[in-house]
Amino acid sequence: DQQVKQNSPSLSVQEGRISILNCDYTNSMFDYFLWYKKYPAEGPTFLISISSIKDKNEDGRFTVFLNKSAKHLSLHIVPSQPGDSAVYFCAASDLSVSGGYQKVTFGTGTKLQVIP
Amino acid sequence: DAGITQSPRHKVTETGTPVTLRCHQTENHRYMYWYRQDPGHGLRLIHYSYGVKDTDKGEVSDGYSVSRSKTEDFLLTLESATSSQTSVYFCAISDPGQGTGNTIYFGEGSWLTVV
Repeated sequence: DQQVKQNSPSLSVQEGRISILNCDYTNSMFDYFLWYKKYPAEGPTFLISISSIKDKNEDGRFTVFLNKSAKHLSLHIVPSQPGDSAVYFCAASDLSVSGGYQKVTFGTGTKLQVIP
Repeated sequence: DAGITQSPRHKVTETGTPVTLRCHQTENHRYMYWYRQDPGHGLRLIHYSYGVKDTDKGEVSDGYSVSRSKTEDFLLTLESATSSQTSVYFCAISDPGQGTGNTIYFGEGSWLTVV
């Protein structure tokens, strides 16, 4: 039962254009969402997060949008750079449960390739 | 980079043998985690610890045990390894009390192959 779904296993984008990575979730109790980035042979690194009380959070070239009614979030990267080529994991947690910040559920990942 | 060291980084073992993966941190973070990464499943939490001798199960804890006798060390043990436990294992840490919010920092991974 995949509670966090990333339906696109891969995405290719031209350098300078916008990359949009999508994520859907099924657990309506999720109220905190994160994106992680992972290069080959390295551990994932935190990118950006958003609380369910917001619908947008921006950090430099990265913006996360949350649509609670659709149970959907997306990560926008503008402009995309070759160094952004990596696997991106969407993640979510339910902060109302004990250990909510610790019990993070990850999606299956989307491999982004930014073409120079 | 977060001060997380995983050992061994690569291991091949036979079915039925015990295996222990070690995670060592130098950040004095309260929380420590073990995740596994598999194709089609993303990252899944095996166990986590919220203090010395305090641990809790994650979503895929069957077949795994953990121990944390010191703040800096978190051990993951496969009592009797099976082929289904072939995976990449990531240790991670976090500590909201140290001003890093709830960000989880990951180690570089341990590749385990059970033959």
